[in-house]
Amino acid sequence: GAVVSQHPSRVICKSGTSVKIECRSLDFQATTMFWYRQFPKKSLMLMATSNEGSKATYEQGVEKDKFLINHASLTLSTLTVTSAHPEDSSFYICSARGPPSGSPSEQFFGPGTRLTVL
Amino acid sequence: EDKVVQSPLSLVVHEGDTVTLNCSYEVTNFRSLLWYKQEKKAPTFLFMLTSSGIEKKSGRLSSILDKKELSSILNITATQTGDSAIYLCAATGSNDYKLSFGAGTTVTVRA
Repeated sequence: GAVVSQHPSRVICKSGTSVKIECRSLDFQATTMFWYRQFPKKSLMLMATSNEGSKATYEQGVEKDKFLINHASLTLSTLTVTSAHPEDSSFYICSARGPPSGSPSEQFFGPGTRLTVL
Repeated sequence: EDKVVQSPLSLVVHEGDTVTLNCSYEVTNFRSLLWYKQEKKAPTFLFMLTSSGIEKKSGRLSSILDKKELSSILNITATQTGDSAIYLCAATGSNDYKLSFGAGTTVTVRA
C-alpha cells in the first residue's frame, strides 16, 4: 500500500514552454502533498506544501508564479513549471503524507520527474 | 531555521565492511528523525526514530537516536554492492509533516 506515482518520468522541453507534472496517491487519500527539487548529488529541497482544496504554501525563495501547484482532489496534485528555462532543469519529486492511521511524519515519495529544458 | 547535517558526504567501502553514517540536527520542537535510501529515483523509507536510545533494526541496517546529542547514526553491517546509494536523513519539528533533509551521504560498496 501507500504508492505514489508521478507522470511523466522524464520530459524535455524548449525554453519558454510550460510543463505540467502530475503526482497521484494510488491507494490512499492524501490531503497533503509535497513538492521537492533535487539537484545532482544534492539533497531534496522542499519547494511547497500542497493541501487539497486550498492554496499551496511555498518555501522561501520559491517563485509562486513560476511553479504553479494545484491540488484539486485527494489523490492528485500537479506542479506546472511555467515559462521554463534551462536553470529549471532538475529532478522534481513529490511525496504524499501517509494515511491517517500512520504517523504524520511519514511521507511516501513518487519516483520523480527528470525535467530538461533546452 | 531548521538544519540537518550529515557526515561524511561520501565514502567508499568494500563488500563485507561495516558502515556508520552520522546525522545531526537543529530543529525547533523536534518530533522525529527519518532515514531514507535513494538509489536512482525517489527515496525509500528506512526508519523513523522518535525515542532516544531505542535501536531500530531491519536486516543488516540499524539506527539509533540520541536526543541529548541531537544526533542519529545509521549502521550497515556486512555491506553488499546493493547497499550503494545516497542515504538521506530528515527531521521534523513544529510542523510534524515537514521534512528538513540533510545533504545525504553517498555510499559506494565495491565488490
